Amino acid sequence: QKEVEQDPGPLSVPEGAIVSLNCTYSNSAFQYFMWYRQYSRKGPELLMYTYSSGNKEDGRFTAQVDKSSKYISLFIRDSQPSDSATYLCAMTPVPGTSYGKLTFGQGTILTVHP
Amino acid sequence: ETGVTQTPRHLVMGMTNKKSLKCEQHLGHNAMYWYKQSAKKPLELMFVYNFKEQTENNSVPSRFSPECPNSSHLFLHLHTLQPEDSALYLCASSQEEGTGATEAFFGQGTRLTVV
Repeated sequence: QKEVEQDPGPLSVPEGAIVSLNCTYSNSAFQYFMWYRQYSRKGPELLMYTYSSGNKEDGRFTAQVDKSSKYISLFIRDSQPSDSATYLCAMTPVPGTSYGKLTFGQGTILTVHP
Repeated sequence: ETGVTQTPRHLVMGMTNKKSLKCEQHLGHNAMYWYKQSAKKPLELMFVYNFKEQTENNSVPSRFSPECPNSSHLFLHLHTLQPEDSALYLCASSQEEGTGATEAFFGQGTRLTVV
């Protein structure tokens, strides 16, 4: 069993749709959760991070963590063609470990068409 | 110079060649990492360096040899690679706890093709 499971998609939605991206994990030591966005031919860039169960909102993006279910989500509201990218969930145990020592999901390829 | 810079961006090498990948970070971080990104697989952590010292090697074959001469520079020396080593190699850096931890920032990667 993979430590982090993420549906690779691909996911194709019309502009303006609400997008839901999800990951499940098996290691209960994970406490710090991140979403990275990776455009084609680019490195991953950090989109959002959360440290505890609950919701965190940043503009059109909402990150949700449910530690009891070992399930994290990223919601994108009013999706735009510029949101087309691969979305990677990542996680790490904290504190006392490196913030760069991450376990990643496989990534979900998202296309938002006009 | 932007945060984490990797060179070259693309590399094609034969199985008997020796080449090196370079990474430089301009963020003042004290930790650096090598990740491998293969098609249809999650990013895999290869090596971790904290304050220039290697603290983790995730069972990486010896044909990959990292070097960290200072906290701003990281190299990955490659020799006698196999075609299955073809992948995107990503460098990242972060600041460890104690002086203010940060999340990892990634470079744009080196696309390696082994022929």
